[in-house]
Formats: sequence, C-alpha cells, structure tokens
Amino acid sequence: EDKVVQSPLSLVVHEGDTVTLNCSYEVTNFRSLLWYKQEKKAPTFLFMLTSSGIEKKSGRLSSILDKKELFSILNITATQTGDSAIYLCAVEVVAGNNRKLIWGLGTSLAVNP
Amino acid sequence: GAGVSQSPRYKVTKRGQDVTLRCDPISSHATLYWYQQALGQGPEFLTYFNYEAQPDKSGLPSDRFSAERPEGSISTLTIQRTEQRDSAMYRCASSPGQGALETQYFGPGTRLLVL
Repeated sequence: EDKVVQSPLSLVVHEGDTVTLNCSYEVTNFRSLLWYKQEKKAPTFLFMLTSSGIEKKSGRLSSILDKKELFSILNITATQTGDSAIYLCAVEVVAGNNRKLIWGLGTSLAVNP
Repeated sequence: GAGVSQSPRYKVTKRGQDVTLRCDPISSHATLYWYQQALGQGPEFLTYFNYEAQPDKSGLPSDRFSAERPEGSISTLTIQRTEQRDSAMYRCASSPGQGALETQYFGPGTRLLVL
C-alpha cells in the first residue's frame, strides 16, 4: 500500500533556528513529491520535486529529493514566527490512466519569538 | 465510473470569454477538489466540496472563479472574463471520505489557454 510518512509530527523552535522536516515514502509509480504550507485555510504550494539531488530554493526555504532512499527534506533557515504552520508532503503517483495524490499527516511547526 | 474524468481536455479561448470546465468524480466519492497547475509547478488548491457543500473557497484567485457541485456528484468550475494569466492545467480530484488528508484520485485535467 502506498504511504507517505512525515517526521517529526510537531516541532517547536525559536526564531532564528534552522529546521529540517522529513518526508519518506513507499509508493509504486512515483511521479513527483510536493511540499505545501498550511496556515489557516487551504494549503499553499511550496515545491515540486521530481529528480534526485536537485535542490529547489525559495528564499529561506529549500528542499531536495532522494529517490534512491525514498525521502525528501524541507529546510527552513533563520525561522520567523510567520513560518509557523503545518507543512504537508504529498506524493503523486501514476495509477492506471489516472494519478493519485497521497498525503502525509504533516509536521506542525511552531516558531516562538 | 472507473476513474475521474474531466472535459474538455483542451480549451482555447479568447481573453474576456467565460469558460466552464467539468469534472465527473469517481462515483460515490464524497469529496471533490479543484486545483490549478502551472507548467513545472505543483497543483495549487482552488476549492473543494464535501458532497454539495463547499467548505473552503479560499484558494480561488479572484471572484471571476466559481465552482458548483449542486447534486454532490459532477462539478463545474467557471472562469468569467478570462485573462491570459488564467492559462494553466485545471485538475480535479476526488476522495472517498471527507478526511482532509485522504488519498486523492486525479482526473486527466483540462488544459486552458487564454489568448
């Protein structure tokens, strides 16, 4: 059965800290891995990763995928209170003629001033 | 049906025209999602339905976008007065239950090009 596992489930840090969030997966017919940030409402898209070893970067956030070891990490440097959110990882797989999106349970990050 | 279907698969329209996209989810699936996906990017959440209820519209980029699922099965996404920046793949997904993080089954998408 396809699954996506995120760790840790929750994390509390101080402003300025660097955090690393993990997402591991066991799926068949992998297509892409996606990271989202969810605050109050709908998740907002952060990164899409399809190839191993290529870092995607956006400001203080970066992410990389390891397709051999089947995981991805999301790094946030110099954290700010505005980074407090749930970070969701999802893996898109090919299923017959369609595609499925399998979600992890998320990592709840709290950044304290 | 066997999977999620969407129509049309491709749509080319002129700026200012209205378009309506259709999604037919897996039968008996409670939840239906609409996403917008730009080339090379991941799906951006637009809105979702639990049966006919629409709990969250926060992802709709403007009031030109609206979605319906009047009988809790087929859904339509309408974009009024289309603009070039609306050009994207519009993807529909459905999931069996109402849990937020359930596996979602995607349709093939509608590729919209606004000239």
